[in-house]
Amino acid sequence: QKEVEQNSGPLSVPEGAIASLNCTYSDRGSQSFFWYRQYSGKSPELIMSIYSNGDKEDGRFTAQLNKASQYVSLLIRDSQPSDSATYLCAVNEGNTPLVFGKGTRLSVIA
Amino acid sequence: DAGVIQSPRHEVTEMGQEVTLRCKPISGHDYLFWYRQTMMRGLELLIYFNNNVPIDDSGMPEDRFSAKMPNASFSTLKIQPSEPRDSAVYFCASSSEGVYGYTFGSGTRLTVV
Repeated sequence: QKEVEQNSGPLSVPEGAIASLNCTYSDRGSQSFFWYRQYSGKSPELIMSIYSNGDKEDGRFTAQLNKASQYVSLLIRDSQPSDSATYLCAVNEGNTPLVFGKGTRLSVIA
Repeated sequence: DAGVIQSPRHEVTEMGQEVTLRCKPISGHDYLFWYRQTMMRGLELLIYFNNNVPIDDSGMPEDRFSAKMPNASFSTLKIQPSEPRDSAVYFCASSSEGVYGYTFGSGTRLTVV
């Protein structure tokens, strides 16, 4: 059973701070890693993907991957109230479908 | 592009009734996925199709659930008979690059009373 674990939160950060979201996965064969954002009552939307160890930056978002530790993280710099949402980590191996974590709820306090 | 289109957005039905959820994937996408989301279990894969062919339905919880994809632009998920524990949000997603870069539909919120 492939598992993706996330702290459910809520994670509360003040506006302008860095939010750090973490994810661990059980399948060592996992090759692709994704972060989705889901606003309340809406569908998940893809915000970041990462495939190799290290950091990947896109605007205020940075994804970090450590395959040896089976660990993925998402950093959100200069957090805004509009970043308040649930963040879902997802992984897969090859052409298998994505396995999602249950998500971490982020609250950015103005 | 209109994105992945699901209908209905909300469905309230009585236990024992048949429920049919519909999905139109993005044109040109060759993978289609049905997920179910609940607070307790998160997003769970029910079934997925590649080029209209079901590839893996091991996530379908019971024989009461069935899914079809008669053509590249339409898929249905049917529950017969429905039970209160089927209450959840059902998402359809499609992809054109294997299993990368899913686009989700807006979901169907199903309530079985």
